[in-house]
Amino acid sequence: DAKTTQPTSMDCAEGRAANLPCNHSTISGNEYVYWYRQIHSQGPQYIIHGLKNNETNEMASLIITEDRKSSTLILPHATLRDTAVYYCIVTSGGSNYKLTFGKGTLLTVNP
Amino acid sequence: DTEVTQTPKHLVMGMTNKKSLKCEQHMGHRAMYWYKQKAKKPPELMFVYSYEKLSINESVPSRFSPECPNSSLLNLHLHALQPEDSALYLCASSTTGTFYEQYFGPGTRLTVT
Repeated sequence: DAKTTQPTSMDCAEGRAANLPCNHSTISGNEYVYWYRQIHSQGPQYIIHGLKNNETNEMASLIITEDRKSSTLILPHATLRDTAVYYCIVTSGGSNYKLTFGKGTLLTVNP
Repeated sequence: DTEVTQTPKHLVMGMTNKKSLKCEQHMGHRAMYWYKQKAKKPPELMFVYSYEKLSINESVPSRFSPECPNSSLLNLHLHALQPEDSALYLCASSTTGTFYEQYFGPGTRLTVT
């Protein structure tokens, strides 16, 4: 699976959009981008995933660049409850079941 | 019901004790996972069960013994642990069609004294 690079930490004002970047320059054609988050003292939570098209669900939007070498997770109206570590994971989507978490980005939403 | 439950929430055990962690889900998922998370580190996969059979063991020491007695339950039996095994132990489940959309429980905080 391709490696990912994320900023260690980011801040965002409450009510504003939070844009979390992820670099995955070695991604291959059959690899998906998954995003999870982990609020303090809780288990990780699946947010969204994509292959090459942009995706949106009730939680967030995922924008993947045309060359697929980077992506951005967008939380459109961040709240204090969105403060968490956000993990970008690239995986082939095959049947090896393995989610490999990197260090992630600590997003702090400030009032 | 989209919940994965784990018991106990906290566990303190001595190095000579035997204890078990329990995980339960009623979403009909046939893949279940154990992860270990040390403080300020990301979760690391330990075991994967698919259709109640062990599919992946990430070279975990034998003092950790997983068990999947049925499709809803996953246990992790602990014996002769070391202080460095103190961590948050997370259970997750998924369908076998969407392995990477995993539902996680809140974890068991284990302290080995």
